[in-house]
Amino acid sequence: DIQMTQSPSSLSASVGDRVTITCRASQGISNDLAWFQQKPGKAPKSLIYAASNLQSGVPSKFSGSGSGTDFTLTISSLQPEDFATYYCQQFHAYPLTFGGGTKVEIK
Amino acid sequence: EVQLVESGGGLVQPGGSLRLSCAASGFTFSDHYIDWVRHAPGKGLEWVGRSENKDYSYTAQYAASVKGRFTISRDDSKNSVFLQMNSLKSEDTAVYYCARDNGATYWGQGTLVTVSS
Repeated sequence: DIQMTQSPSSLSASVGDRVTITCRASQGISNDLAWFQQKPGKAPKSLIYAASNLQSGVPSKFSGSGSGTDFTLTISSLQPEDFATYYCQQFHAYPLTFGGGTKVEIK
Repeated sequence: EVQLVESGGGLVQPGGSLRLSCAASGFTFSDHYIDWVRHAPGKGLEWVGRSENKDYSYTAQYAASVKGRFTISRDDSKNSVFLQMNSLKSEDTAVYYCARDNGATYWGQGTLVTVSS
């Protein structure tokens, strides 16, 4: 199985900060990676697919990059509505696997 | 408008069974994969399994943690995918979501399954 390792597992940041979350795959997955945002009690929301493509309606402050084994999700200027947990997921091979999540909290 | 609506969750005893449904609308159902993903209390997201589309003969794929206990099926005449869960364990307690395709652009609202005596 492909293991997805996210870091950090949590971070504290202030409104306006630039935030970067990293996801590393245990083997190459090309660009078969998605990023999701989840708020408590809500369904996950898709932010990025194919590593760097912004989903329709998602603000441009979110961006994704990477290919192969190393990927990043960047939030250019953190806003109050962005405090949530973020997950990466690989869809390169079965079983599909998620990273452990990164909880973004208010400093 | 694309919609996915889960139903069928509830309280069940360990060793029991439950059948979840995911009703889809707003797109050509047979063209798309449908995934089941769960979120256990205090844990991260876990992929449970997938119903592939007609191009792949609706093959079902499963996570190791549920293989042999859970079965995914679909009924294109009802635009629905089903998750039959047998031999349930306390660790299967979670909110279960269905989602569409790689990258999971669309998600349902989830249905809560609680396995407890």
